Amino acid sequence: GAGVSQSPRYKVAKRGQDVALRCDPISGHVSLFWYQQALGQGPEFLTYFQNEAQLDKSGLPSDRFFAERPEGSVSTLKIQRTQQEDSAVYLCASSPGTSGISFTDTQYFGPGTRLTVL
Amino acid sequence: KQEVTQIPAALSVPEGENLVLNCSFTDSAIYNLQWFRQDPGKGLTSLLLIQSSQREQTSGRLNASLDKSSGRSTLYIAASQPGDSATYLCAVEGSQGNLIFGKGTKLSVKP
Repeated sequence: GAGVSQSPRYKVAKRGQDVALRCDPISGHVSLFWYQQALGQGPEFLTYFQNEAQLDKSGLPSDRFFAERPEGSVSTLKIQRTQQEDSAVYLCASSPGTSGISFTDTQYFGPGTRLTVL
Repeated sequence: KQEVTQIPAALSVPEGENLVLNCSFTDSAIYNLQWFRQDPGKGLTSLLLIQSSQREQTSGRLNASLDKSSGRSTLYIAASQPGDSATYLCAVEGSQGNLIFGKGTKLSVKP
């Protein structure tokens, strides 16, 4: 596709429900990032994939958060037993990732999924 | 731990003014610095990327500078237009390629 797409765009969940957020990166992009953006804040890093390998998950706030990218393209961020503090916009970004360890590629962001936990 | 600060948090200017947005970071060991624009309900659009070896980048009416030693970057917008109204985010790249963002500056350009 032309850009990064995310679905759903909006999700309302009752506290305790599980949710799954999908990211379709730009075709051929090696690197994929998930960020969480709370209201009035800048995005905060959650996790990073290079192809199917999850190389960094240091930003995941708890073990209720889980991300996967099994075939190195589409990625899913899953949140189990959602809490009100999980309410945020979840942004996905991809980059060509051809610069080795020093990533000087621009990251292309999707429109985000706005999650509201009631 | 790298921290990114943006000043001011909000800015309102009349159309046609030149303006400067500021960004500071605590750890000068960065790979690059990027400026993004975020419109309400939308994702981030990359405006300019400055590699650590560079001092500035220009794109149209935008000019971004980087001073690694002092941990500062500025985004200069010339001849502002109402269409420039948005939140501008500064981000530095971490060791794994993840971006560390400031909280942004919300810009409003009045016609």
